[in-house]
Amino acid sequence: DTAVSQTPKYLVTQMGNDKSIKCEQNLGHDTMYWYKQDSKKFLKIMFSYNNKELIINETVPNRFSPKSPDKAHLNLHINSLELGDSAVYFCASSQGRSTYGYTFGSGTRLTVV
Amino acid sequence: SQQGEEDPQALSIQEGENATMNCSYKTSINNLQWYRQNSGRGLVHLILIRSNEREKHSGRLRVTLDTSKKSSSLLITASRAADTASYFCATDAMGSSNTGKLIFGQGTTLQVKP
Repeated sequence: DTAVSQTPKYLVTQMGNDKSIKCEQNLGHDTMYWYKQDSKKFLKIMFSYNNKELIINETVPNRFSPKSPDKAHLNLHINSLELGDSAVYFCASSQGRSTYGYTFGSGTRLTVV
Repeated sequence: SQQGEEDPQALSIQEGENATMNCSYKTSINNLQWYRQNSGRGLVHLILIRSNEREKHSGRLRVTLDTSKKSSSLLITASRAADTASYFCATDAMGSSNTGKLIFGQGTTLQVKP
């Protein structure tokens, strides 16, 4: 069973389009995150939700909107996609400050053309 | 701002040798974690060391933490070709929310040649 699953794995789309990435975790964790990894492998946190409540919202353009329908799901919707949005987006979950750290999904590679 | 910086950025060794990666950070922390990322995959949690710990072991992994120097090292002993991956340190900064926001370094790319 996949612990943190993201869909789709690959997403190629044109500039200006709107797209969504979905994430689900079956670990019973209370916190979920979205990270963006750029071409130099730098990972930057975007959002975090704890029990469906937004707790971290880094300086992300408001074209990016996370939605958490329940604590097992955290989706990311992106409006008016730009070339600079091309990256790998990772979903992760954790149980507070667990000794076991974060559990990451396998990533969604977004390419904007 | 980026919390962790890793050194070296890339490391190439022969199978059986030890690999050491270093991480420096800027602010006080609750804990520091190391993750591995295989090419095209997500990150996998390896080990967590708390701010009041100085050394921790897990199998072939040894992590040290020096809070006075704000630095940590990850040692992989008797490396194997399967250890080829990127390794990231991540800090849970003091003062962050109770949910443990992690800030990642830029990683060390390790290549282990058979």
